[in-house]
Amino acid sequence: KQEVTQIPAALSVPEGENLVLNCSFTDSAIYNLQWFRQDPGKGLTSLLLIQSSQREQTSGRLNASLDKSSGRSTLYIAASQPGDSATYLCAVLGSGNTPLVFGKGTRLSVIA
Amino acid sequence: EAGVTQSPTHLIKTRGQQATLRCSPISGHTSVYWYQQALGLGLQFLLWYDEGEERNRGNFPPRFSGRQFPNYSSELNVNALELEDSALYLCASSFMVEQFFGPGTRLTVL
Repeated sequence: KQEVTQIPAALSVPEGENLVLNCSFTDSAIYNLQWFRQDPGKGLTSLLLIQSSQREQTSGRLNASLDKSSGRSTLYIAASQPGDSATYLCAVLGSGNTPLVFGKGTRLSVIA
Repeated sequence: EAGVTQSPTHLIKTRGQQATLRCSPISGHTSVYWYQQALGLGLQFLLWYDEGEERNRGNFPPRFSGRQFPNYSSELNVNALELEDSALYLCASSFMVEQFFGPGTRLTVL
């Protein structure tokens, strides 16, 4: 059974810092990995999707990497801003008719 | 292009009642997924519908059920509501692989 763990559970940083969020998964037989952002009480916004054959994806100040063999992904946020404050969720998709499996998220606070 | 929409935004029910939640996928998307996000438990997969058929089901009791209509919209029904059913229910749609999420329905069971 796939399990996804995110560390740390919460993180507080001053504005302008670069930061890294970590995600690990137990079964390396994944189809893809997605990073999402969730604002309090709201739905999920997809940030980046990495296919199993890819090593990284970039969008603006965000960069996500994937090391499938070690079961790890990182989300790098450059020059953090107060608007980046949210919960960041990592989810993996297995092959076949398997659903997305989510981690519990990292709650990020960027202090102005 | 309109995103995934869900209704209602909020729903308040009492224990033992039934709740019906609705989801409209992005135009062209044939798959709809339902997830439950209860406080402290993270996002849990509930149901997956594709082309009108149930493709997969999470570890939830049978009182959680749903269906997908010919226009690909979907309904989630929760019978005999219990206090622990209080949660944010998220719907997602996809055409190929990437899932796009709606804003959710907040269900409160009193």
